[in-house]
Amino acid sequence: DGGITQSPKYLFRKEGQNVTLSCEQNLNHDAMYWYRQDPGQGLRLIYYSQIVNDFQKGDIAEGYSVSREKKESFPLTVTSAQKNPTAFYLCASSTTSGATYEQYFGPGTRLTVT
Amino acid sequence: AQSVTQLGSHVSVSEGALVLLRCNYSSSVPPYLFWYVQYPNQGLQLLLKYTSAATLVKGINGFEAEFKKSETSFHLTKPSAHMSDAAEYFCAVSGGSQGNLIFGKGTKLSVKP
Repeated sequence: DGGITQSPKYLFRKEGQNVTLSCEQNLNHDAMYWYRQDPGQGLRLIYYSQIVNDFQKGDIAEGYSVSREKKESFPLTVTSAQKNPTAFYLCASSTTSGATYEQYFGPGTRLTVT
Repeated sequence: AQSVTQLGSHVSVSEGALVLLRCNYSSSVPPYLFWYVQYPNQGLQLLLKYTSAATLVKGINGFEAEFKKSETSFHLTKPSAHMSDAAEYFCAVSGGSQGNLIFGKGTKLSVKP
């Protein structure tokens, strides 16, 4: 089955530690996205990548970093500079051909930092 | 710039009643529009999409939405609510930078027995 996997489902870290969230897709999509979700705030775009070895900041990139070394993988690092990292993180992917912009989502990772 | 407004952060209906979730958008170009559903602690699942074909779009689980250009709306409806419809629903419009989607803040649907 094609899809997007995110691991782990739940992640706990101490304040001051960096943490990396995994996102893998086997849909052969060129574009990948990271969103942060907080109650009542909808989805906010952190970073996105349209092609391997290239990525752009979204609306709330401060305190986060990404890499795109392979088409299938788009890991997100939450650094100690992120002031309020506890949230639900969603990864998505889409094709860049056909222009319908439909995004497919992974199951999410809930990060708790104490 | 494109934007999406979902009216009502919480909607409550009785089982068997009509479901109506409202979405208005602003777009300088003909948009593509989407409705997604999210169950607790899960990712988003596409319900339906409008891509400039038929204005009445049918989706999964009995949901449908009508694109009304004159009203810049794309409201989601279902004739008869089921307990399993309780979830959060997000409307999205294409047109962000490099084709990104812009999401509304979501509407949480509760279904009472």
